[in-house]
Amino acid sequence: SQTIHQWPATLVQPVGSPLSLECTVEGTSNPNLYWYRQAAGRGLQLLFYSVGIGQISSEVPQNLSASRPQDRQFILSSKKLLLSDSGFYLCAWSEDSLFSPLHFGNGTRLTVT
Amino acid sequence: KNEVEQSPQNLTAQEGEFITINCSYSVGISALHWLQQHPGGGIVSLFMLSSGKKKHGRLIATINIQEKHSSLHITASHPRDSAVYICAVRSRGGATNKLIFGTGTLLAVQP
Repeated sequence: SQTIHQWPATLVQPVGSPLSLECTVEGTSNPNLYWYRQAAGRGLQLLFYSVGIGQISSEVPQNLSASRPQDRQFILSSKKLLLSDSGFYLCAWSEDSLFSPLHFGNGTRLTVT
Repeated sequence: KNEVEQSPQNLTAQEGEFITINCSYSVGISALHWLQQHPGGGIVSLFMLSSGKKKHGRLIATINIQEKHSSLHITASHPRDSAVYICAVRSRGGATNKLIFGTGTLLAVQP
Protein backbone atom coordinates (compact mmCIF):
# COMPACT_ATOMS: atom_id res chain seq x y z
CA SER A 1 0.00 0.00 0.00
CA GLN A 2 1.04 3.58 -0.54
CA THR A 3 2.25 5.76 2.30
CA ILE A 4 3.44 9.34 2.55
CA HIS A 5 5.89 10.58 5.14
CA GLN A 6 6.48 14.20 5.98
CA TRP A 7 8.87 15.61 8.55
CA PRO A 8 9.41 17.27 10.88
CA ALA A 9 5.96 17.55 12.47
CA THR A 10 6.73 20.86 14.14
CA LEU A 11 9.49 23.38 13.64
CA VAL A 12 10.39 26.69 15.23
CA GLN A 13 12.93 28.72 13.31
CA PRO A 14 14.24 32.28 13.64
CA VAL A 15 13.76 34.86 10.91
CA GLY A 16 16.54 34.65 8.36
CA SER A 17 17.35 30.99 8.98
CA PRO A 18 17.11 28.36 6.23
CA LEU A 19 14.35 25.79 5.89
CA SER A 20 14.16 22.27 4.59
CA LEU A 21 11.01 20.17 4.80
CA GLU A 22 11.06 16.70 3.34
CA CYS A 23 8.34 14.48 1.99
CA THR A 24 8.66 10.94 0.68
CA VAL A 25 6.12 8.59 -0.84
CA GLU A 26 6.30 4.82 -0.79
CA GLY A 27 4.43 2.17 -2.71
CA THR A 28 3.91 4.03 -5.96
CA SER A 29 5.98 5.29 -8.85
CA ASN A 30 5.95 8.56 -10.77
CA PRO A 31 3.42 10.24 -8.48
CA ASN A 32 2.36 13.84 -8.82
CA LEU A 33 3.65 15.65 -5.73
CA TYR A 34 2.35 18.81 -4.12
CA TRP A 35 3.26 21.29 -1.39
CA TYR A 36 0.37 23.20 0.20
CA ARG A 37 0.33 25.86 2.88
CA GLN A 38 -2.52 26.52 5.25
CA ALA A 39 -2.34 29.87 6.99
CA ALA A 40 -4.46 30.51 10.07
CA GLY A 41 -8.11 31.02 9.11
CA ARG A 42 -7.46 30.50 5.42
CA GLY A 43 -7.90 27.70 2.97
CA LEU A 44 -5.18 25.49 1.60
CA GLN A 45 -2.98 27.21 -0.95
CA LEU A 46 -1.02 25.27 -3.53
CA LEU A 47 2.63 26.32 -3.47
CA PHE A 48 4.33 23.88 -5.81
CA TYR A 49 3.52 20.79 -7.76
CA SER A 50 5.66 18.31 -9.64
CA VAL A 51 4.79 15.75 -12.29
CA GLY A 52 8.27 14.24 -12.47
CA ILE A 53 11.88 14.36 -11.33
CA GLY A 54 13.28 17.84 -11.69
CA GLN A 55 9.94 19.24 -12.89
CA ILE A 56 8.61 21.89 -10.53
CA SER A 57 5.77 24.32 -11.10
CA SER A 58 5.33 27.28 -8.80
CA GLU A 59 1.88 28.63 -8.17
CA VAL A 60 2.59 31.77 -6.20
CA PRO A 61 5.61 34.08 -5.99
CA GLN A 62 7.19 33.59 -2.64
CA ASN A 63 10.21 33.13 -0.51
CA LEU A 64 10.18 29.36 -0.91
CA SER A 65 11.47 26.86 -3.45
CA ALA A 66 10.89 23.19 -4.10
CA SER A 67 12.97 20.39 -5.53
CA ARG A 68 12.37 16.80 -6.55
CA PRO A 69 15.74 15.06 -6.58
CA GLN A 70 14.22 11.57 -6.72
CA ASP A 71 10.95 10.18 -8.04
CA ARG A 72 9.32 9.90 -4.64
CA GLN A 73 11.04 12.71 -2.77
CA PHE A 74 9.82 16.29 -2.61
CA ILE A 75 11.64 18.99 -0.66
CA LEU A 76 10.45 22.46 0.34
CA SER A 77 13.20 24.95 1.06
CA SER A 78 13.98 28.52 1.89
CA LYS A 79 17.32 30.29 2.14
CA LYS A 80 16.02 32.91 4.58
CA LEU A 81 12.73 32.54 6.40
CA LEU A 82 10.34 35.44 6.86
CA LEU A 83 7.76 35.85 9.62
CA SER A 84 5.07 35.48 6.97
CA ASP A 85 6.32 31.97 6.17
CA SER A 86 4.75 30.69 9.39
CA GLY A 87 1.95 28.24 8.76
CA PHE A 88 0.97 24.64 8.34
CA TYR A 89 2.64 22.94 5.39
CA LEU A 90 1.22 19.83 3.82
CA CYS A 91 2.74 17.51 1.29
CA ALA A 92 0.43 15.45 -0.89
CA TRP A 93 0.59 12.99 -3.74
CA SER A 94 -1.75 11.71 -6.39
CA GLU A 95 -1.55 9.42 -9.36
CA ASP A 96 -1.16 11.10 -12.72
CA SER A 97 -4.85 10.88 -13.49
CA LEU A 98 -7.59 13.47 -13.72
CA PHE A 99 -9.70 11.53 -11.23
CA SER A 100 -7.12 10.46 -8.72
CA PRO A 101 -7.72 11.54 -5.13
CA LEU A 102 -5.13 13.44 -3.15
CA HIS A 103 -3.32 11.73 -0.30
CA PHE A 104 -1.90 14.06 2.33
CA GLY A 105 0.97 13.80 4.75
CA ASN A 106 0.45 14.73 8.38
CA GLY A 107 1.79 18.23 7.91
CA THR A 108 4.50 20.41 9.41
CA ARG A 109 3.61 23.29 11.68
CA LEU A 110 6.24 25.96 11.09
CA THR A 111 6.61 28.93 13.42
CA VAL A 112 9.06 31.64 12.40
CA THR A 113 10.06 33.80 15.34
CA LYS B 1 -15.42 36.55 -3.47
CA ASN B 2 -13.79 33.16 -3.17
CA GLU B 3 -14.29 30.75 -6.03
CA VAL B 4 -15.27 28.08 -3.49
CA GLU B 5 -17.58 29.01 -0.64
CA GLN B 6 -18.58 26.76 2.22
CA SER B 7 -21.40 27.15 4.71
CA PRO B 8 -21.68 27.18 7.58
CA GLN B 9 -18.20 28.18 8.70
CA ASN B 10 -18.86 26.74 12.15
CA LEU B 11 -21.36 24.10 13.17
CA THR B 12 -22.16 22.63 16.56
CA ALA B 13 -24.41 19.59 16.74
CA GLN B 14 -25.62 17.11 19.30
CA GLU B 15 -24.64 13.49 18.96
CA GLY B 16 -27.07 11.67 16.67
CA GLU B 17 -28.10 14.70 14.64
CA PHE B 18 -28.15 14.76 10.85
CA ILE B 19 -25.58 17.24 9.57
CA THR B 20 -25.32 19.04 6.25
CA ILE B 21 -22.37 21.08 5.04
CA ASN B 22 -22.71 23.02 1.83
CA CYS B 23 -20.24 24.00 -0.87
CA SER B 24 -20.87 26.40 -3.74
CA TYR B 25 -18.41 27.19 -6.48
CA SER B 26 -18.27 29.71 -9.28
CA VAL B 27 -16.04 27.99 -11.85
CA GLY B 28 -16.65 25.14 -14.23
CA ILE B 29 -15.25 22.02 -12.68
CA SER B 30 -14.21 18.53 -13.64
CA ALA B 31 -14.27 17.13 -10.09
CA LEU B 32 -15.05 18.07 -6.52
CA HIS B 33 -13.36 16.73 -3.39
CA TRP B 34 -14.50 16.57 0.20
CA LEU B 35 -11.69 16.38 2.72
CA GLN B 36 -11.60 15.93 6.48
CA GLN B 37 -8.94 17.63 8.58
CA HIS B 38 -8.48 16.30 12.08
CA PRO B 39 -7.52 18.52 15.04
CA GLY B 40 -3.89 17.46 14.69
CA GLY B 41 -3.85 18.77 11.13
CA GLY B 42 -3.81 15.55 9.13
CA ILE B 43 -6.10 15.55 6.10
CA VAL B 44 -8.03 12.60 4.74
CA SER B 45 -9.77 12.49 1.41
CA LEU B 46 -13.42 11.51 1.91
CA PHE B 47 -14.94 11.74 -1.55
CA MET B 48 -14.15 12.73 -5.07
CA LEU B 49 -17.15 13.15 -7.33
CA SER B 50 -18.06 14.67 -10.64
CA SER B 51 -21.79 13.88 -10.69
CA GLY B 52 -24.59 12.41 -8.64
CA LYS B 53 -24.06 10.98 -5.22
CA LYS B 54 -21.59 8.85 -3.27
CA LYS B 55 -22.00 7.13 0.07
CA HIS B 56 -19.45 5.77 2.48
CA GLY B 57 -20.70 4.57 5.82
CA ARG B 58 -22.54 7.44 7.50
CA LEU B 59 -21.23 9.99 5.00
CA ILE B 60 -23.04 11.00 1.84
CA ALA B 61 -21.84 13.49 -0.75
CA THR B 62 -23.97 14.92 -3.51
CA ILE B 63 -23.24 17.29 -6.33
CA ASN B 64 -25.43 19.32 -8.68
CA ILE B 65 -23.27 20.41 -11.58
CA GLN B 66 -25.92 22.73 -13.06
CA GLU B 67 -26.35 24.59 -9.78
CA LYS B 68 -22.61 24.44 -8.96
CA HIS B 69 -23.35 23.10 -5.53
CA SER B 70 -22.35 20.13 -3.42
CA SER B 71 -23.41 18.92 -0.01
CA LEU B 72 -21.80 16.63 2.53
CA HIS B 73 -24.20 14.87 4.87
CA ILE B 74 -23.38 13.01 8.06
CA THR B 75 -26.07 10.75 9.47
CA ALA B 76 -26.21 9.79 13.16
CA SER B 77 -23.34 12.15 13.98
CA HIS B 78 -20.82 11.20 16.62
CA PRO B 79 -18.22 13.19 18.59
CA ARG B 80 -15.48 11.50 16.57
CA ASP B 81 -16.88 13.28 13.49
CA SER B 82 -15.64 16.56 14.97
CA ALA B 83 -13.20 17.99 12.46
CA VAL B 84 -12.82 20.59 9.74
CA TYR B 85 -14.49 19.58 6.49
CA ILE B 86 -13.03 21.08 3.36
CA CYS B 87 -14.48 21.32 -0.11
CA ALA B 88 -12.12 21.60 -3.05
CA VAL B 89 -12.71 21.75 -6.81
CA ARG B 90 -10.58 21.13 -9.85
CA SER B 91 -11.49 23.67 -12.46
CA ARG B 92 -12.33 22.37 -15.90
CA GLY B 93 -9.20 22.40 -18.03
CA GLY B 94 -7.04 22.83 -14.97
CA ALA B 95 -3.79 20.91 -14.72
CA THR B 96 -3.75 17.60 -12.97
CA ASN B 97 -5.15 17.91 -9.49
CA LYS B 98 -4.61 21.65 -9.11
CA LEU B 99 -7.41 22.28 -6.67
CA ILE B 100 -9.19 25.38 -5.42
CA PHE B 101 -10.02 25.01 -1.75
CA GLY B 102 -12.77 26.37 0.43
CA THR B 103 -11.83 27.65 3.86
CA GLY B 104 -13.52 24.76 5.62
CA THR B 105 -16.37 24.10 8.01
CA LEU B 106 -15.48 23.47 11.63
CA LEU B 107 -17.82 20.82 13.01
CA ALA B 108 -18.12 20.06 16.70
CA VAL B 109 -20.37 17.18 17.72
CA GLN B 110 -21.19 17.20 21.39
CA PRO B 111 -22.06 14.04 23.34
